[in-house]
Amino acid sequence: EAGVTQFPSHSVIEKGQTVTLRCDPISGHDNLYWYRRVMGKEIKFLLHFVKESKQDESGMPNNRFLAERTGGTYSTLKVQPAELEDSGVYFCASSQERQGRETQYFGPGTRLLVL
Amino acid sequence: AQSVAQPEDQVNVAEGNPLTVKCTYSVSGNPYLFWYVQYPNRGLQFLLKYITGDNLVKGSYGFEAEFNKSQTSFHLKKPSALVSDSALYFCAVRIYGNNRLAFGKGNQVVVIP
Repeated sequence: EAGVTQFPSHSVIEKGQTVTLRCDPISGHDNLYWYRRVMGKEIKFLLHFVKESKQDESGMPNNRFLAERTGGTYSTLKVQPAELEDSGVYFCASSQERQGRETQYFGPGTRLLVL
Repeated sequence: AQSVAQPEDQVNVAEGNPLTVKCTYSVSGNPYLFWYVQYPNRGLQFLLKYITGDNLVKGSYGFEAEFNKSQTSFHLKKPSALVSDSALYFCAVRIYGNNRLAFGKGNQVVVIP
């Protein structure tokens, strides 16, 4: 069974540009999560999809971030326009259930550097 | 609110010695506790979790963790460290009905040959 995949693995962009990150969850997982780790800090929750619906987007830092999950399969996270403080590693995770006890399986992350 | 503290930035241990990575948590409810590991240039890999039942949980690669409710701790342990255990270790907590994981800042473990 394939794990969570993310694309690209790395992205270097200039301030003001747009970047779109993609996440493909484990097949059959309705729950998809985005997290972010800024250099040396904790991994922070961004948002949670159940199928195509946003269940919780309270962790999104501001309206420059837009997440979508059309059709309830893969998800994209767009940053527009990117700022220096957006640099970090963006992780995607997926899980089958959403009762708290299930394991979230993480992808390899996308390393974003905004110059 | 739920939060996790991993008090040490780096843990150095000689190969073959016991390894302990500390984690304490704060939640307003019964916690679900997780340990993940990140090897260089890799994603987060699940190691083990505590949901309910026995306080001692065994996981992948010979790791185990002990849930201590009175001390609100969930320390990760391995009896005999390997050089290949050198990685970044994250403790995380969730509560029932809340799907987000709250992570600690991570501990870099360095196993010295």
